[in-house]
Amino acid sequence: AQSVTQLGSHVSVSEGALVLLRCNYSSSVPPYLFWYVQYPNQGLQLLLKYTTGATLVKGINGFEAEFKKSETSFHLTKPSAHMSDAAEYFCAVSKSGGYQKVTFGTGTKLQVIP
Amino acid sequence: GAVVSQHPSWVICKSGTSVKIECRSLDFQATTMFWYRQFPKQSLMLMATSNEGSKATYEQGVEKDKFLINHASLTLSTLTVTSAHPEDSSFYICSARAEGAYNEQFFGPGTRLTVL
Repeated sequence: AQSVTQLGSHVSVSEGALVLLRCNYSSSVPPYLFWYVQYPNQGLQLLLKYTTGATLVKGINGFEAEFKKSETSFHLTKPSAHMSDAAEYFCAVSKSGGYQKVTFGTGTKLQVIP
Repeated sequence: GAVVSQHPSWVICKSGTSVKIECRSLDFQATTMFWYRQFPKQSLMLMATSNEGSKATYEQGVEKDKFLINHASLTLSTLTVTSAHPEDSSFYICSARAEGAYNEQFFGPGTRLTVL
């Protein structure tokens, strides 16, 4: 079974500062990894995903994440936070291969301070 | 592309009544749709997976007779909460996966259900 641990349910950063949201995964097989963003009372939007290939993945809105197998991590970063980045972020994992169930982490709420 | 809609966006009902929530893929054919439940400040919990034309697969602990799922076409799945009770109040989110899209899911905007 796969699982995801997101460290820190709340993260606050100043506008313009580095954003770092942590995610560690557990999987008995090579994983697919995802980051989603959720704005209040909305569904989830895919930010980026890792399946195979390059371990540094670039996504939308300037976010990127690096798959580190040795650390079983998939941390999300953005060099400079914007007020519009304030939202809830979910890391998710699934087994590799087609049509596998996706397991979500508990989420990290990002607050951006002006 | 890859837009998923849900209707209604919010609903309030009396205890004991049934509520139907629709999930539509607007610009692609969804061979698989998922229904999630999200409690306040918590993550998404998968309730069931539905494939077009077949019975839904429910996760452990989810009452299939209470949460009826129908996936009659490649663009529409419905979740009916039968005999709703206050503890069923939650945010219900559907997602859809296109043929060949492997594990990428496209999420609807969610439906807020409040049972009085």
